[in-house]
Amino acid sequence: AQKVTQAQTEISVVEKEDVTLDCVYETRDTTYYLFWYKQPPSGELVFLIRRNSFDEQNEISGRYSWNFQKSTSSFNFTITASQVVDSAVYFCALSGLKAAGNKLTFGGGTRVLVKP
Amino acid sequence: GAVVSQHPSWVICKSGTSVKIECRSLDFQATTMFWYRQFPKQSLMLMATSNEGSKATYEQGVEKDKFLINHASLTLSTLTVTSAHPEDSSFYICSALQWGLGLGNEQFFGPGTRLTVL
Repeated sequence: AQKVTQAQTEISVVEKEDVTLDCVYETRDTTYYLFWYKQPPSGELVFLIRRNSFDEQNEISGRYSWNFQKSTSSFNFTITASQVVDSAVYFCALSGLKAAGNKLTFGGGTRVLVKP
Repeated sequence: GAVVSQHPSWVICKSGTSVKIECRSLDFQATTMFWYRQFPKQSLMLMATSNEGSKATYEQGVEKDKFLINHASLTLSTLTVTSAHPEDSSFYICSALQWGLGLGNEQFFGPGTRLTVL
């Protein structure tokens, strides 16, 4: 069975601070995909990144960066110089192979509150 | 990116009535769609996998007779909450799977439907 754990339920920071969201996953698949989504108060999920299990390169996109450590089964997400618009719930998710039905398993989410 | 719509975006109904939610893939064909339910301050929980032309596959604990899923075309899946009760009030989100090359096939999410049962 697949499992995704986001240990931090809520993080509160002041604008311009950096914030790192932890994500730890469990899977028996050797090939899998990891995702991060943002869910603002409107409710619509916003796709942020997809990473396959063979690509352990860290990625940076603007103020967002991701650190994939296969050895520790972690896929952490950092927002640099946070802004009020970053306030949202962030979900880490895991997807298996086609044979597994491409089902997504979501973590519990981390609510980020950025105060001005 | 691919676009998925849901209709309605919100609905309020009386207890005992049935409510239908539509999920459409607007610019691609989706043989597989997924339905999720999200209670306040909780994560998304997969309810069922909807397959075009065949019966949906429900996750453990989800009543298939209560949550009827129909995937009659390659761009439309519907979720009908039958005899809705207040405990069915939730945020329902669908996603459509776009098949791609290799092992990674991506789900595109709809904007969600907020159901309130009085």
